[in-house]
Amino acid sequence: GNSVTQMEGPVTLSEEAFLTINCTYTATGYPSLFWYVQYPGEGLQLLLKATKADDKGSNKGFEATYRKETTSFHLEKGSVQVSDSAVYFCALISIQGAQKLVFGQGTRLTINP
Amino acid sequence: GAVVSQHPSWVICKSGTSVKIECRSLDFQATTMFWYRQFPKQSLMLMATSNEGSKATYEQGVEKDKFLINHASLTLSTLTVTSAHPEDSSFYICSARAGGEAETQYFGPGTRLLVL
Repeated sequence: GNSVTQMEGPVTLSEEAFLTINCTYTATGYPSLFWYVQYPGEGLQLLLKATKADDKGSNKGFEATYRKETTSFHLEKGSVQVSDSAVYFCALISIQGAQKLVFGQGTRLTINP
Repeated sequence: GAVVSQHPSWVICKSGTSVKIECRSLDFQATTMFWYRQFPKQSLMLMATSNEGSKATYEQGVEKDKFLINHASLTLSTLTVTSAHPEDSSFYICSARAGGEAETQYFGPGTRLLVL
């Protein structure tokens, strides 16, 4: 079945540091890939997405590239801010069968000033 | 953006009692609502999908008589955990979709349930 594996957290960085959160997936066919973010006390929000190989999703300074050869969708940001502190979820939807979101376990990110 | 609320945000109950969790779409009509469950350090697991006015579709392994879902209106879905036991303690998250692409779901902030 489809699955998503994320880098285990928690991750703690200093402000302006470079961020990478790893995400790899297993799926049949060519899924669409997503990163969701959950800020404290709020619901998950779609951060960025990519729907085909080599696509790069980007938003709010975050980027992730759909790598079919390594089945990965790592999240990166060049210079993090305290306001980026949140839980980040990698997810996929397979275009085959029922279109359900499959999530990774989430990575808690804390940015210290 | 679209807002989804959940109530209560946390609840503690005794074993054997039933607990109802509400999920509301505040500024849009949700044709489909989803209920997820999340255990500590684990991913969100889809429990069921409900469409307004029809019976919910449960995922494999989810007891429909244990987790009652009602989607009576386009802005409200409820999840009732019947005869709750300590193993039902978890974080329950709902999401709502107005239509369009499958990934366009708006998530509620979650409800933490602790069964003593």
